[in-house]
Formats: sequence, C-alpha cells, structure tokens
Amino acid sequence: QVQLQESGPGLVKPSQTLSLTCTVSGGSISSGSYYWSWIRQPAGKGLEWIGRIYTSGSTNYNPSLKSRVTISVDTSKNQFSLKLSSVTAADTAVYYCARDVYDILTGYYLDYWGQGTLVTVSS
Amino acid sequence: EIVMTQSPATLSVSPGERATLSCRASQSVSSNLAWYQQKPGQAPRLLIYGASTRATGIPARFSGSGSGTEFTLTISSLQSEDFAVYYCQQYNNWPPKYTFGQGTKLEIK
Repeated sequence: QVQLQESGPGLVKPSQTLSLTCTVSGGSISSGSYYWSWIRQPAGKGLEWIGRIYTSGSTNYNPSLKSRVTISVDTSKNQFSLKLSSVTAADTAVYYCARDVYDILTGYYLDYWGQGTLVTVSS
Repeated sequence: EIVMTQSPATLSVSPGERATLSCRASQSVSSNLAWYQQKPGQAPRLLIYGASTRATGIPARFSGSGSGTEFTLTISSLQSEDFAVYYCQQYNNWPPKYTFGQGTKLEIK
C-alpha cells in the first residue's frame, strides 16, 4: 500500500519561503504513470490544488500561485518537494501531498494522500 | 475556468436514511469527476472517480452518478462514520488545474 508523509517546518516567517517534502513509501515514485500533487486547506475552508510533478520533472501549477511555486522530485530518495516563496498569513494552511492518477476513461483524481502538515506563517 | 458548485452547504440526515449530495460544473466535464470524504483532522479520502466508480475499499452504500454538468453522490443508508464533509473535484485540461467544490457538510439530524 502506498503511503505519503509530509515533513517540514511548521512555522515560517512572512516574506520567507515555505519548504515541504513528501516521502513516498510502499512503492517507487517512478513506477507507473503517476503525477504527484500538493494541495492545501486553510483552517475551516476548502481544498486548493497547488501543483504537481511527473517523475520526468514535468510540472503543472495552479495559475493563481504559479509565480511563487516550485515543485521538484528526487527519485533516488522517493521524495518530491514544494517551495512557496514570499509567503504571507494567507498561506497558513494544512498542506497535503497526494498521488495523482490519470485514466483515459475516468480522468484525473487523487487516490492516496498524506496525513497533512500544518504550516503557520507568522513572525 | 470551470467552477464547481456543491449543494447544499449543509445537509442534516438521520442515521439509516439516504443522503443525496449534488455537484454542478459550470461547463461540461464529461464523466471526469471525483468525490472525496473528509473527517475532522484527517486527510480527504477518495470515494468515487470517473463519476461513478467506487475507489478500493469503499462500501457499496456510496454511489455516484451523473455526467456533463450535473453529478450526485448518494449514500444509501447513513452510518455514524459517514458524517463528514464531502468534496467534488474535476480537472481542467487547460490550463492544467484541479478544481474542488466548496464542500457539503453532512451532519446528524
């Protein structure tokens, strides 16, 4: 069974860069035709997709965050990472990583999720 | 950009009864729609993909239907563990982007 685990600082200062890593276990991040996504959720609010990466390094980002987001992958460590620059209090949220599946008949969906990690932006 | 609208925002149903949750897309998404369940303090859990295919391990009381712009998630006989927030999700091919509905909170009546 695939498992994902987010890690990184829980507190980031305004204007700095938020950095998180997702470690995948139970299977190789390079096996199969999967993207790997980041999603966030402010307290009491809905889900916002941040972006994703394929193991080739190809990325897609949410247009609303694109100027501040970088997602990378390290296949040797079975990890992918998120960097979000110039953070403000509005970036305070629980950040999730997830496996991103595509099927020609059923489209894209997120089948395995990490437990999430709370990142607070505050001085 | 496709907008996903869920209704109602909150649904109060008694255990054992049927719950029907709706999701509407601002333009056709064919059958490329997924549903997730989220309980407090937990990550979302995939329930349905392709509008009607249950994910692995999801009980048969959960069913999805619809295509185009109108979709429904039905829970046939509510169990105590089903009270949660439910989100629908679609994927834009261009620009590439996942979009979620705002969620429906299913609460005990």
